[in-house]
Amino acid sequence: GENVEQHPSTLSVQEGDSAVIKCTYSDSASNYFPWYKQELGKRPQLIIDIRSNVGEKKDQRIAVTLNKTAKHFSLHITETQPEDSAVYFCAASNTGTASKLTFGTGTRLQVTL
Amino acid sequence: NAGVTQTPKFQVLKTGQSMTLQCAQDMNHNSMYWYRQDPGMGLRLIYYSASEGTTDKGEVPNGYNVSRLNKREFSLRLESAAPSQTSVYFCASSARAPNTEAFFGQGTRLTVV
Repeated sequence: GENVEQHPSTLSVQEGDSAVIKCTYSDSASNYFPWYKQELGKRPQLIIDIRSNVGEKKDQRIAVTLNKTAKHFSLHITETQPEDSAVYFCAASNTGTASKLTFGTGTRLQVTL
Repeated sequence: NAGVTQTPKFQVLKTGQSMTLQCAQDMNHNSMYWYRQDPGMGLRLIYYSASEGTTDKGEVPNGYNVSRLNKREFSLRLESAAPSQTSVYFCASSARAPNTEAFFGQGTRLTVV
């Protein structure tokens, strides 16, 4: 089955700096790569996703890049703000008939003033 | 439009007791999922239902059973709870590809003593 590795496990940046979180996956059949943000005690919520036919996607301060050859994808957050502090999860799936997501172990991002 | 609703939000069980976690979605999604979240391990898929009438095992199915009651509802049953099943449980749902974003419920925090 699919295996997703995520690094780093914790990341501390100053407000205004950029943050980068990296993930690798093992199954070349995976074609959907979402990123979820989870605040303390809350449910995971999708912040951005990318499909295997696209190399990069951007939404305001958030961008995701995908390298299918190397089987890795990254989340980039620019101009970080205190409200970006949360745990971020990457995931991968082969959509097929169902989006069974395999998650990374999470990155706790702390944005300090 | 409530999205994905789980009950209960909190539960304490004694070892050996049984219980059913309920999940319902009002987005007319075909696929539904149960994940568990443990510290440092991300979310792991327990069971999923690609469509009404079908269920399949995920990564960590042992000790659990599921029922896809109808298109809206997908329940998770613990027949004989064990301390190792102490976790936060999330139900999720998604539409057919390519609209594969998974929407999560608010979670159930289960403690088995």
